Amino acid sequence: AQSVSQHNHHVILSEAASLELGCNYSYGGTVNLFWYVQYPGQHLQLLLKYFSGDPLVKGIKGFEAEFIKSKFSFNLRKPSVQWSDTAEYFCAVNQAAGNKLTFGGGTRVLVKP
Amino acid sequence: EPEVTQTPSHQVTQMGQEVILRCVPISNHLYFYWYRQILGQKVEFLVSFYNNEISEKSEIFDDQFSVERPDGSNFTLKIRSTKLEDSAMYFCASRGQGSDTQYFGPGTRLTVL
Repeated sequence: AQSVSQHNHHVILSEAASLELGCNYSYGGTVNLFWYVQYPGQHLQLLLKYFSGDPLVKGIKGFEAEFIKSKFSFNLRKPSVQWSDTAEYFCAVNQAAGNKLTFGGGTRVLVKP
Repeated sequence: EPEVTQTPSHQVTQMGQEVILRCVPISNHLYFYWYRQILGQKVEFLVSFYNNEISEKSEIFDDQFSVERPDGSNFTLKIRSTKLEDSAMYFCASRGQGSDTQYFGPGTRLTVL
């Protein structure tokens, strides 16, 4: 069975700092990869996704992620965070487009103004 | 922008009671999902639904659970006899034909006393 792990449960950083959140998955076949964000009091929103092609994916709000197949990783990055990036971030995978998503445990990010 | 909506936002029930959680998917979407997140744990897949049938279900989705699309707009999750361990946040998601992205609702927090 596939699984997803996110390395950090909590991250605290100051505005303008760079952010990188780790995500590793375990599955030998072809996967589709997603990062979702949940702002306080809001629903899960898609930040970005990777299905194929360029392994560096750009998403909304200045986020990007890099798929490294050899490392089974899909880390999320943002060069300069803002206070409004305070949220919980979830990495997720599925085996085929539209199939059930398997989520990581989430990372709570707190950006101090 | 169209959104998935869920009602109620919070449901409190006594153990053994039946609950129905309601979701209104995005109007032209054809694929529907339920996930849940027990406090402090990962978001877990429960069930997927397409063409008035369950497409896939997890081990969690036992005989106590059922889903229904009673009309053209609602998608419901019923728990027949709730247990304490059913306390969780329940998320509905929907996906359009030919799309690879699941859109999530804000969730219903179910508390079983």
